[in-house]
Amino acid sequence: EVQLVESGGGLVQPGGSLRLSCAASGFTFSSYWMHWVRQAPGKGLVWVSRINNDGSRTSYADSVKGRFTISRDNAKNTLYLEMNSLRAEDTAVYYCARDHSGNDEEFDYWGQGTLVIVSS
Amino acid sequence: DIVMTQSPLSLPVTLGQPASISCRSSQSLVYSDGNTYLNWFHQRPGQSPRRLIYKVSNRDSGVPDRFSGSGSGTDFTLKISRVEAEDVGVYYCMQGTHWPPWTFGQGTKLEIK
Repeated sequence: EVQLVESGGGLVQPGGSLRLSCAASGFTFSSYWMHWVRQAPGKGLVWVSRINNDGSRTSYADSVKGRFTISRDNAKNTLYLEMNSLRAEDTAVYYCARDHSGNDEEFDYWGQGTLVIVSS
Repeated sequence: DIVMTQSPLSLPVTLGQPASISCRSSQSLVYSDGNTYLNWFHQRPGQSPRRLIYKVSNRDSGVPDRFSGSGSGTDFTLKISRVEAEDVGVYYCMQGTHWPPWTFGQGTKLEIK
């Protein structure tokens, strides 16, 4: 069974840092691109970042570029999102999702999300 | 960036009646490989999004056949033939053709009248 389990969310002050994790199981993690998508309270889904299967290529939304870093450890089947210089507008539930468009598995599984609150 | 525009944003429907959601993209979503990477997701309150439809019209495993997707180019539609109580929530379209970024529609909230 495919599972994605996010962790690491919490309350952080503006300007602070946080590291999110997404533990994957039930599939060959190293074969998939992975994404982070966020959802501010009461708002819609917004794509944040993506990493290719071996970690050599990354992409970011303009709103987080230079502040967030996506990475992965294929030996540990884990995806990360390092978030620095956090702002109030980064408050959201952060989801990880897998992607293998060649297998028609683009965003077909999502984690349960982890809540990040940026507030003083 | 590709802008995805959904309508309506709010959709009150009577149980057993059909429902339709439109999604329009600011550019054609046909990729160089000939595929159109347009997905539909359903998010129930307090839950993660669930993919319903991929590449315009392909239903995911376990998705009831009352859900169907159609369209081409820049205009796409999600239809529910007979709405059931479990269909409430927010529906999003998302394009995966012109990336980054991957972009979502604003969401359509379906509720039961």
